[in-house]
Amino acid sequence: DAGVIQSPRHEVTEMGQEVTLRCKPISGHNSLFWYRQTMMRGLELLIYFNNNVPIDDSGMPEDRFSAKMPNASFSTLKIQPSEPRDSAVYFCASSLGSDDTQYFGPGTRLTVL
Amino acid sequence: EDQVTQSPEALRLQEGESSSLNCSYTVSGLRGLFWYRQDPGKGPEFLFTLYSAGEEKEKERLKATLTKKESFLHITAPKPEDSATYLCAVRPGGGADGLTFGKGTHLIIQP
Repeated sequence: DAGVIQSPRHEVTEMGQEVTLRCKPISGHNSLFWYRQTMMRGLELLIYFNNNVPIDDSGMPEDRFSAKMPNASFSTLKIQPSEPRDSAVYFCASSLGSDDTQYFGPGTRLTVL
Repeated sequence: EDQVTQSPEALRLQEGESSSLNCSYTVSGLRGLFWYRQDPGKGPEFLFTLYSAGEEKEKERLKATLTKKESFLHITAPKPEDSATYLCAVRPGGGADGLTFGKGTHLIIQP
C-alpha cells in the first residue's frame, strides 16, 4: 500500500523563481497537511485541508506561499517568488479524518540560492 | 500559545542501556499527544498516540506514558537500530487539527 507521495524529493532553485511542491495523499484519506521543517524552528504547520477545502492557513508565512487541493488525490504548495530563507524540508501528511493519526511523506528538500 | 519542549536535545547511550526521553507540553485542552520517529532524510514515522493522563502504550522496546504536564518515551535495552530523532507533538483543543511539534531528541545507540 503506497504511503504519501511527494515530488520532487530535492529542488534547487535561484532566488526569485517560482517553486511548486506536489503531494499525493494516502488513498481514502480526507485530510491533508503541509509542514515545514528547519533546524531553527523544527516542524511547523503551514496549512491543512479537509475534504479538499482549506481549513487553517494561519501558518503560511506570507503571501508568497499558496496551496491548493483541486481533488482528493493531489495538492500543491507554491512559493512565488522564492527567497533563501524558504530553504527547508517541506512535508505533506494525510489522515483519515482531521483528528486521526497523520502519516507523513518523505519530504521535499528545497534549497533557494 | 501551545508549546512543546523536548529534553534532552541529544542523547548517546550504549547498546542495552535503558533511558527515558521527556516531552513537556503546555496546551489548551489536549486532544492527543503523539510520538514520531524520524530517520535522517525521511519523514516522521508514527509511533504512539496518548489521550489522557495515566495512559501507557508499548511497542517492542518503547513505552510511552502521559501525565497532565508531560510525556515520557522509555527505551528499554536499546539496539543501534533505535538510533533516530524522536519527535513529540500535541493536538490542542478547539477546532484546530494541526499538530504542534517539539524540536526532538536525537538519540544515538552505540554498539
